[in-house]
Amino acid sequence: DTAVSQTPKYLVTQMGNDKSIKCEQNLGHDTMYWYKQDSKKFLKIMFSYNNKELIINETVPNRFSPKSPDKAHLNLHINSLELGDSAVYFCASSQPDRDGGYTFGSGTRLTVV
Amino acid sequence: DQQVKQNSPSLSVQEGRISILNCDYTNSMFDYFLWYKKYPAEGPTFLISISSIKDKNEDGRFTVFLNKSAKHLSLHIVPSQPGDSAVYFCAASARGAGKSTFGDGTTLTVKP
Repeated sequence: DTAVSQTPKYLVTQMGNDKSIKCEQNLGHDTMYWYKQDSKKFLKIMFSYNNKELIINETVPNRFSPKSPDKAHLNLHINSLELGDSAVYFCASSQPDRDGGYTFGSGTRLTVV
Repeated sequence: DQQVKQNSPSLSVQEGRISILNCDYTNSMFDYFLWYKKYPAEGPTFLISISSIKDKNEDGRFTVFLNKSAKHLSLHIVPSQPGDSAVYFCAASARGAGKSTFGDGTTLTVKP
């Protein structure tokens, strides 16, 4: 019974394609995030949603579009994929009081060829 | 601008000994700090946190120390166990910022 689940786990696709990554949490958390871990291993925030509302959009190309149909789901759609988009994308959720940190999904390894 | 830095990419210790992982930050607005542990092919899992009103927080074998004047925190694991082998991320957040800023991780290897 996974708390934060994201699919797919692996995604290999060609440049120029459009792809989506889905994320769902069953913790009842109000806030969800997308983080990107690049080849240098940094975890960088991309987006944050609180109760379906966009809170943070961190200088991410507009080819990346998050969608939150409800507070339990935060999907990430990427248009016109580029080689530099290859990374591991992590979804996470939390309560806004910050206690206990984030609960992360297991990640989606995206490889653009 | 890397606001959270973990200057040691890797650390190797013997089972039973102490592991000390270090983290430095530059943003004086950070007031809440966390450590996460990450195994391969899994997401990071929350380990322990500390608020800036404290200088120490302990949870079993894990203790986090915060030195605000030096903008430095450390994670002590005593005694270290082989199952502790993982990548450890330090993270920091500022009240109202709505996000955590992560370091680039330290790979800990605990040898039996």
